[in-house]
Amino acid sequence: GAVVSQHPSRVICKSGTSVKIECRSLDFQATTMFWYRQFPKQSLMLMATSNEGSKATYEQGVEKDKFLINHASLTLSTLTVTSAHPEDSSFYICSAREQATNYGYTFGSGTRLTVV
Amino acid sequence: QKEVEQDPGPLSVPEGAIVSLNCTYSNSAFQYFMWYRQYSRKGPELLMYTYSSGNKEDGRFTAQVDKSSKYISLFIRDSQPSDSATYLCAMSPYRFGNEKLTFGTGTRLTIIP
Repeated sequence: GAVVSQHPSRVICKSGTSVKIECRSLDFQATTMFWYRQFPKQSLMLMATSNEGSKATYEQGVEKDKFLINHASLTLSTLTVTSAHPEDSSFYICSAREQATNYGYTFGSGTRLTVV
Repeated sequence: QKEVEQDPGPLSVPEGAIVSLNCTYSNSAFQYFMWYRQYSRKGPELLMYTYSSGNKEDGRFTAQVDKSSKYISLFIRDSQPSDSATYLCAMSPYRFGNEKLTFGTGTRLTIIP
């Protein structure tokens, strides 16, 4: 099946700094990737849909200037949390699907962000 | 009413028991159904996917879909402690394509040795 690699798995940063999270489709091309946020003991919350070569589509209530998404190639999407604050601390997960297959969506292993 | 309802649990069963996890949905456009398993602090792992009513079996896991009742189930036979995780159902209107998924809230399952 398809493999999605996410990096880093864990990051700690200071308030006010920016953090970049990478999501790569290892053995397939992904024109679309999804970014989720998950709070402890809660389900996944879709933040945005990342489209290769075009602007991301953000869900209602998600600040596009704070969560910058770049999908510059068919195998890489990045999420940058800008001017991070402690309330941005969370588990961030990306997902993608191999085009034109009926295989399910594959998720990365997630990134635990802690802002101190 | 949420589009997808899933009992959050927690659910605890003894090792070897049959586990039944369920989701109901209200959107009749959903045609593609998935079950994910998520261990603590890990990304969700795809267990099963199906796009038609009926049963689909894979080892100890059976996914069941009843579109007429808008009800899906995941059965785990001979449950093992390693099955302890959160199980998420997910749905999409499309079998192919890249539409966003709609998730249930997840059910936390603990298998007691």
